[in-house]
Amino acid sequence: GENVEQHPSTLSVQEGDSAVIKCTYSDSASNYFPWYKQELGKRPQLIIDIRSNVGEKKDQRIAVTLNKTAKHFSLHITETQPEDSAVYFCAAPKAAGNKLTFGGGTRVLVKP
Amino acid sequence: DAGVIQSPRHEVTEMGQEVTLRCKPISGHDYLFWYRQTMMRGLELLIYFNNNVPIDDSGMPEDRFSAKMPNASFSTLKIQPSEPRDSAVYFCASKGWGRGRNTEAFFGQGTRLTVV
Repeated sequence: GENVEQHPSTLSVQEGDSAVIKCTYSDSASNYFPWYKQELGKRPQLIIDIRSNVGEKKDQRIAVTLNKTAKHFSLHITETQPEDSAVYFCAAPKAAGNKLTFGGGTRVLVKP
Repeated sequence: DAGVIQSPRHEVTEMGQEVTLRCKPISGHDYLFWYRQTMMRGLELLIYFNNNVPIDDSGMPEDRFSAKMPNASFSTLKIQPSEPRDSAVYFCASKGWGRGRNTEAFFGQGTRLTVV
């Protein structure tokens, strides 16, 4: 089965600094890499995703980079703000399947 | 669409009782997932369905847990008998399969289960 590892488990940054979360996966056939954000007491929601035919995707202050050779992908948040404080989850479902399993999560705290 | 709808939002029950959690996926979505979330274990996939058929239930912790999807608009997760260690937030999520590609999964608001 798919094994997705996520690091770090917790991340504390000063407001305005950047935050980077990294995930590694084991199935070389995976071709879709979503990131979900879960605010305290709420449901996980997709914030950005990338497919294997591109190496980077940006959406305002968030970006995801993908290295298929090394089998890792990263979430980058620039100019962090207090509302970025949340738990972030990555996933790497198999190419031909839809078993959606998540990494262990990263708790991000943005200090004002 | 109202999104994925779960009920109840909160459930408190006594150990040994049967608990049934309910989920209505987004219309047209053909995949449905049940997750359990705890501080210790994170977001665990319990089981998922495709076109109402269970595809992978390897995450179901033990025989006390069962899930059904009798039709495209309804699924249940049942725990019988319940135990205190089952206390967690249970999420249901649904997704489509758009043009042969993976798509976004949408989560319900979750059911917070407390077994005392």
